[in-house]
Amino acid sequence: GAVVSQHPSWVICKSGTSVKIECRSLDFQATTMFWYRQFPKQSLMLMATSNEGSKATYEQGVEKDKFLINHASLTLSTLTVTSAHPEDSSFYICSASVGLARGNEQFFGPGTRLTVL
Amino acid sequence: AQSVTQPDIHITVSEGASLELRCNYSYGATPYLFWYVQSPGQGLQLLLKYFSGDTLVQGIKGFEAEFKRSQSSFNLRKPSVHWSDAAEYFCAVVAGGYGQNFVFGPGTRLSVLP
Repeated sequence: GAVVSQHPSWVICKSGTSVKIECRSLDFQATTMFWYRQFPKQSLMLMATSNEGSKATYEQGVEKDKFLINHASLTLSTLTVTSAHPEDSSFYICSASVGLARGNEQFFGPGTRLTVL
Repeated sequence: AQSVTQPDIHITVSEGASLELRCNYSYGATPYLFWYVQSPGQGLQLLLKYFSGDTLVQGIKGFEAEFKRSQSSFNLRKPSVHWSDAAEYFCAVVAGGYGQNFVFGPGTRLSVLP
């Protein structure tokens, strides 16, 4: 159980276009979803936390107008990279959790590799 | 602010040998500590976690970790490594207060020789 999927797994786009990444919890209802960014050979950096039905909370330094996060249902969150540029190329990973309690486990998706040409 | 360090960027061990991956954290109170494993092209899988109680924690796939407050460490160990253990390993800490502000270490890449 506790499976999280992401779609697409890999996307290439032209500079200036927008890309949407979906994160789904397949067998549980995720009240909270997280979006991370991982550069090659580096660790995961939390971008934002989203709770179903409310606005996402962005980490310092993350442009909320560039990285649009929507968490419209308990099983789906989307990350839209608007007007993507080559520096946005990265591995984006989502995770899902039931609630925000400190000890709640986060279940991670397989990641989406974005390449902006 | 809390931080996590993993001193070893890359470790190579022979199959069947023992393994220890180091993790040090910086946080004033008792943190919640986690070890995750990431295989190529895949998401993170939780190996084990420590919140309180027994400082030696058992996880999946034969892994264990020991919390040592005096050393601010949470090292991951396995007595006999299998080729399928080759992956990237991340130590993470969740600091105090409400919420799940995960801070991940830089990761240690494990290679296993046949």
